[in-house]
Amino acid sequence: NAGVTQTPKFQVLKTGQSMTLQCAQDMNHEYMSWYRQDPGMGLRLIHYSVGAGITDQGEVPNGYNVSRSTTEDFPLRLLSAAPSQTSVYFCASSYSSAPPNEQFFGPGTRLTVL
Amino acid sequence: GENVEQHPSTLSVQEGDSAVIKCTYSDSASNYFPWYKQELGKRPQLIIDIRSNVGEKKDQRIAVTLNKTAKHFSLHITETQPEDSAVYFCAARGAGSYQLTFGKGTKLSVIP
Repeated sequence: NAGVTQTPKFQVLKTGQSMTLQCAQDMNHEYMSWYRQDPGMGLRLIHYSVGAGITDQGEVPNGYNVSRSTTEDFPLRLLSAAPSQTSVYFCASSYSSAPPNEQFFGPGTRLTVL
Repeated sequence: GENVEQHPSTLSVQEGDSAVIKCTYSDSASNYFPWYKQELGKRPQLIIDIRSNVGEKKDQRIAVTLNKTAKHFSLHITETQPEDSAVYFCAARGAGSYQLTFGKGTKLSVIP
């Protein structure tokens, strides 16, 4: 199993550009989520999904869209990139949304918006 | 929503000493409390977790304690080693919620 994979590893965007961060898992996990990690801020939840076709907002959803058309994939779209979106983005998945629900994290995408 | 406070933000200990990191949470109905370790440049990884119906859990040199009345939980690392140096995050899951709320992290440095 590859676990949770993310692409790209690094990305530089200009203000106003759009892009999609890819996330995939091969563990048949029901629950997937996106976090951003900023220095001194911990991990903040952007969006999450409890199954294919079901998504919801987390703590910091503005400027981001998600969809979940399959169990395996959960892409994160930046609609119009802003410097405030410079961050490290982690995708995570877990077998269930009910505890204990160990979340397995992907390797992360480091995004810089100029 | 849930709010998680984590202290201290940085912690330095001598190799072999113990380290304690504390977290408080706001939602008295929260029922799941994991701890993640993140090494520099790596992804967070679960090291131990505890559910609200348990007061303490141990795994070798790592233990977590939960005080539901005071709404706080702590990570204890004994006999620290240089490879324990990392950032540690606590988290809490509110009852009826799918979301984990994370603390801001503690950077632990173990000095050889």
